[in-house]
Amino acid sequence: DAKTTQPPSMDCAEGRAANLPCNHSTISGNEYVYWYRQIHSQGPQYIIHGLKNNETNEMASLIITEDRKSSTLILPHATLRDTAVYYCIVNGNAGKSTFGDGTTLTVKP
Amino acid sequence: DGGITQSPKYLFRKEGQNVTLSCEQNLNHDAMYWYRQDPGQGLRLIYYSQIVNDFQKGDIAEGYSVSREKKESFPLTVTSAQKNPTAFYLCASSIRPRGVSYNEQFFGPGTRLTVL
Repeated sequence: DAKTTQPPSMDCAEGRAANLPCNHSTISGNEYVYWYRQIHSQGPQYIIHGLKNNETNEMASLIITEDRKSSTLILPHATLRDTAVYYCIVNGNAGKSTFGDGTTLTVKP
Repeated sequence: DGGITQSPKYLFRKEGQNVTLSCEQNLNHDAMYWYRQDPGQGLRLIYYSQIVNDFQKGDIAEGYSVSREKKESFPLTVTSAQKNPTAFYLCASSIRPRGVSYNEQFFGPGTRLTVL
């Protein structure tokens, strides 16, 4: 599975867009990009995933560069409840996932 | 009300004792997973199972054992051979991955194990 690199922490003002980057320069053609988030002391929660095209759902948008070597998760209007650790995962190997240390997003009032 | 449950939420054991963590799901998922999380760190895969009566080691399987006798259940035993068992343990399930596609995992609330 491709390795991902994320900044360890980010801050965002409440109501503003939070843009969380992820580098996955060794991604292969059949690997998807998945994002999860983990609120303190809870199990991670799935947010969104994509292969090549940009994706949007009720929680977030995922922008994947044309060369697929990086992606950005966008929370359009961050709230205090979005404070969490966000994990970017690249996985094409059925069954196995590697969660790195993620990005700790702190949304400030 | 479908979901994945882990019990208990907090567990204390004495050093040298084996302990079994429970994980049950009623989502009709074929695949189940166990992760370990240490403070300030990400999740590391211990074991996973894609189908009943079959399971594979993850990245940190030493000192752990699992069974998968039923589709709904995937208990994890932390043995006395695990040198540093105090951690947060998370169980997850997913639709069985097909080929190279990966399906999102649904996580339980976790069990925080403390070995005294």
